[in-house]
Amino acid sequence: DGGITQSPKYLFRKEGQNVTLSCEQNLNHDAMYWYRQDPGQGLRLIYYSQIVNDFQKGDIAEGYSVSREKKESFPLTVTSAQKNPTAFYLCASTTATRTEAFFGQGTRLTVV
Amino acid sequence: QKEVEQNSGPLSVPEGAIASLNCTYSDRGSQSFFWYRQYSGKSPELIMFIYSNGDKEDGRFTAQLNKASQYVSLLIRDSQPSDSATYLCAVNPPGSGGYNKLIFGAGTRLAVHP
Repeated sequence: DGGITQSPKYLFRKEGQNVTLSCEQNLNHDAMYWYRQDPGQGLRLIYYSQIVNDFQKGDIAEGYSVSREKKESFPLTVTSAQKNPTAFYLCASTTATRTEAFFGQGTRLTVV
Repeated sequence: QKEVEQNSGPLSVPEGAIASLNCTYSDRGSQSFFWYRQYSGKSPELIMFIYSNGDKEDGRFTAQLNKASQYVSLLIRDSQPSDSATYLCAVNPPGSGGYNKLIFGAGTRLAVHP
């Protein structure tokens, strides 16, 4: 079945530690996105990418980094510079011709 | 002013009734509008999208768009307890360059009671 797979589902980070969230899609979608959701709030765009080896900052990119080495993969690293990383992280993808975004199941990151 | 505004709710409706969810957006040049449903602890799932003024129906769901009033709504007919969730309105603003750089509202929580 085609879809977007995020892993892990739950992740715990210690203070000062970098962690990487995985996002893989087999939908052959061109564009991929990372959003962050805080309790009671809408989603906010972190980074997005249209093609391999190219990505752009979204509204809240500080403290995050991404790579797009393969069309299918768009991992997100939450660095120690992100002071408030506890949130629900969602990866999404779209085709080049349609704008509807489809989401993975999300990763819930907690700082311990 | 928030770019996409929704009443946080909860909106409580009896089973079988029509639920009406509303959303306003600030950027008049926005072109694409989406409604997502999100169950607690889960990721959003797309319900409807609408690009043109007027109504668009899909089963029990109807999306309504009024660009002059910068208003988009979602009607759910014959509401079921399984419709109880948070409904997120999302807008693709102008200047997105073909990307789906959605701006989301905070969502409206819908509770359908038997």
